[in-house]
Amino acid sequence: AQTVTQSQPEMSVQEAETVTLSCTYDTSENNYYLFWYKQPPSRQMILVIRQEAYKQQNATENRFSVNFQKAAKSFSLKISDSQLGDTAMYFCVLLPFTGANSKLTFGKGITLSVRP
Amino acid sequence: NAGVMQNPRHLVRRRGQEARLRCSPMKGHSHVYWYRQLPEEGLKFMVYLQKENIIDESGMPKERFSAEFPKEGPSILRIQQVVRGDSAAYFCASSPGEGPQHFGDGTRLSIL
Repeated sequence: AQTVTQSQPEMSVQEAETVTLSCTYDTSENNYYLFWYKQPPSRQMILVIRQEAYKQQNATENRFSVNFQKAAKSFSLKISDSQLGDTAMYFCVLLPFTGANSKLTFGKGITLSVRP
Repeated sequence: NAGVMQNPRHLVRRRGQEARLRCSPMKGHSHVYWYRQLPEEGLKFMVYLQKENIIDESGMPKERFSAEFPKEGPSILRIQQVVRGDSAAYFCASSPGEGPQHFGDGTRLSIL
């Protein structure tokens, strides 16, 4: 079984500052993906960034980067130069590689508010 | 370049009625997933389908819920004899195989 834990229910950050969202996970699989999805008030689910577990290099996507610590099973998201449009719920998500077990496992999410 | 299309966006049903939620995957995607989101929670997996086959339905309630993905047409999530507890947002996602799943905008189901 897979679990994803996001222990911070909400965070707030000043516009233009940097914020880090924490996530830990557990899986018996050796190969898997990790994602951060964003859900703004419009309720859409938007993929922010992805990381393949076999890659040691941390993924980056413009202002978004991750700190992936495979041994510690930790996968945090750093948002630099926060913008008002970053206000949303953020979900840490785990996906094993195996085709027969392709369901996403979501954390409970963290509500991020960016203050002007 | 249409994404995952779900309809309707909002669906209102009275207790005891049937709800049918539709999902058309992205072009070229043959894998469809259904998730349910209760208020202030993450999405919970329900069912994973490929064309005409249910691959994993471990997240589906045993009764009243069913899903299909026919050879032609959209995937359908069907809830019979709806109850208040079925009120939720239902998301469909698709993928071409392994890797990120692309989500539709969801269907918000309200039970009166």
